[in-house]
Amino acid sequence: KQEVTQIPAALSVPEGENLVLNCSFTDSAIYNLQWFRQDPGKGLTSLLLIQSSQREQTSGRLNASLDKSSGRSTLYIAASQPGDSATYLCAVSNAGKSTFGDGTTLTVKP
Amino acid sequence: DADVTQTPRNRITKTGKRIMLECSQTKGHDRMYWYRQDPGLGLRLIYYSFDVKDINKGEISDGYSVSRQAQAKFSLSLESAIPNQTALYFCATSGAPGPYNEQFFGPGTRLTVL
Repeated sequence: KQEVTQIPAALSVPEGENLVLNCSFTDSAIYNLQWFRQDPGKGLTSLLLIQSSQREQTSGRLNASLDKSSGRSTLYIAASQPGDSATYLCAVSNAGKSTFGDGTTLTVKP
Repeated sequence: DADVTQTPRNRITKTGKRIMLECSQTKGHDRMYWYRQDPGLGLRLIYYSFDVKDINKGEISDGYSVSRQAQAKFSLSLESAIPNQTALYFCATSGAPGPYNEQFFGPGTRLTVL
C-alpha cells in the first residue's frame, strides 16, 4: 500500500526566505506526482505536476523535483511572500488513483 | 465560471438523515472522484468513476453510495448520516490516464452531522 509522508508538518519563515518542502513515498511505481496548495477551508489548487519520466517542473517561483528511485520529491519556493501562507500537499498517482500526504502548513511572516 | 462545482457548500444535518452532495464539471473529463478530508487524516478516497458505467469503491466507502448521472455529474449520498461523517468533502476530476492524469478539485462541501 502506497504511503506518502510530508515533513515538516508545519514551517514558519520570514518573508523573502527561500524554502524547501519535502514529500516521500514508499512505492516508486507511480505515474506522476502532483503538488497542491490549500487555503484554510478551501479546495485544492494544483501547482505543479511531474510525470514519472520527468525530473523537475517549474512555475514562476516554484520548482518541484522528483527522484522516483528514492521515493522523494521537493517543492522549492523562492523569495517567499506572506501570500504563500497555506497548506501544501503532495499526491502520487498510479492506476488512476492518488494517495495524498497530510501536508505541510507554511506561514510566511511579513 | 469554476470548472468543478459542488453543491451545497455547507450543510448541517441530523443523525439518520439522508444527504446528497452533488458535483458537476465542465472540463469534459471522464474520471471523477469523491474524497473526504479530516484533520490529521488527510484526504481519503471514498469512490471513483472512470466513466459513466464504471464505479469503484475507494478506501472508505462504507456508509456512502454514489451515482454517475452523466459524464459531467457525480453525486455522493449518505444514506443514514452519522456524526463521524462530519468532514470536508471534495469532488475532483481528471482527464487522460497515465502520466498526464492531473486532478482538479472542487471548492468542497462542509458537512456537519449532529
